[in-house]
Amino acid sequence: QQQVKQSPQSLIVQKGGISIINCAYENTAFDYFPWYQQFPGKGPALLIAIRPDVSEKKEGRFTISFNKSAKQFSLHIMDSQPGDSATYFCAASITQGGSEKLVFGKGTKLTVNP
Amino acid sequence: EPEVTQTPSHQVTQMGQEVILRCVPISNHLYFYWYRQILGQKVEFLVSFYNNEISEKSEIFDDQFSVERPDGSNFTLKIRSTKLEDSAMYFCASRSSTSDQPQHFGDGTRLSIL
Repeated sequence: QQQVKQSPQSLIVQKGGISIINCAYENTAFDYFPWYQQFPGKGPALLIAIRPDVSEKKEGRFTISFNKSAKQFSLHIMDSQPGDSATYFCAASITQGGSEKLVFGKGTKLTVNP
Repeated sequence: EPEVTQTPSHQVTQMGQEVILRCVPISNHLYFYWYRQILGQKVEFLVSFYNNEISEKSEIFDDQFSVERPDGSNFTLKIRSTKLEDSAMYFCASRSSTSDQPQHFGDGTRLSIL
């Protein structure tokens, strides 16, 4: 019930295309849903995040769509660029005693071809 | 921009030895975390730490592991009697006490147990 399921495992997109990564969760106690971007040799870096009272959040080329009833959320990268090539992790946070530990999906390796 | 720093970047240790991984969180942050990522797998929560005590720990964080904030700036993860399966990337993260602030990750320590 603490799991976050992420798909696809890998994704290849042409420059200028739209990249879509999907995540699903079971635990309705999750109340914060961030996306992290990770380049090789680096730690995860926050890309964009959403709370369940909002159905969509957009920051530049990155958009999170959130479907509370389906317990699903997705990341859309518009006009994908080769520099977007990285591994993307969705995550969910549950607040227990204020720790806000993150539960991560398994990651999606995105390759944007020039 | 302030960042979480981790040392060393790579640690090679013989099985059965003790290892200490070091982290310097962002200076005004009050919540501290350790995560690990076994090669090719997802990032997994180990422990959260607040107000000089553990606030939550996962089942991975058994008696072999301990955390400490020995002074006002460092946050350490100690692994006693290391095992082969402890080989992984270990990430430290920190977060401020302000609500809706994300966890910021360091670039990790690659731990290799021989």
